[in-house]
Amino acid sequence: GQQVMQIPQYQHVQEGEDFTTYCNSSTTLSNIQWYKQRPGGHPVFLIQLVKSGEVKKQKRLTFQFGEAKKNSSLHITATQTTDVGTYFCAGQTNNQGGKLIFGQGTELSVKP
Amino acid sequence: GAVVSQHPSWVICKSGTSVKIECRSLDFQATTMFWYRQFPKQSLMLMATSNEGSKATYEQGVEKDKFLINHASLTLSTLTVTSAHPEDSSFYICSARSRRSSYEQYFGPGTRLTVT
Repeated sequence: GQQVMQIPQYQHVQEGEDFTTYCNSSTTLSNIQWYKQRPGGHPVFLIQLVKSGEVKKQKRLTFQFGEAKKNSSLHITATQTTDVGTYFCAGQTNNQGGKLIFGQGTELSVKP
Repeated sequence: GAVVSQHPSWVICKSGTSVKIECRSLDFQATTMFWYRQFPKQSLMLMATSNEGSKATYEQGVEKDKFLINHASLTLSTLTVTSAHPEDSSFYICSARSRRSSYEQYFGPGTRLTVT
């Protein structure tokens, strides 16, 4: 079945360093979404990418959707302790009735 | 806008009992609701998709007789874990999709179930 692979599983950085997490889908996606889950919390929607090659920015966060609409990345510039949490990508396809297939998540820890 | 609530936020029950979890869209009509289960340090695994007024569609490996889903209205879906066992202990999260968006899902705060 459809899979979304996400790496790395864990990332420990020093505050101020950059961070990137990558997602790769086994099938072409109609869109990809990114969520952040704080420890003990629930996933919170960050962004949705729909167009091939799309790049979106939210302050220090940059999201990219690959040309083939099968991969995506989230890059955080100059991490802060408030960035701590697990970042999930989740892909949708046109024929799945809106189902989101989640990647495994990348847990980010930031050392002050 | 787009707030989804879940009740209860946490529950402890004894093995063999049943537990009902409610998922409500507070300020929009949800044509579709999704139920996920998340074990510690793991990703969200979709359990089932529920459309208002119709039977839920369960993912492979999810027992529909054990996890009863009812989507009685455009703002409420319920998940009942029947004859719960300790291995059912998990974080159950619902999400809802409005009729105005084919993509975005709004997640509830989750329900932590512990079966003793």
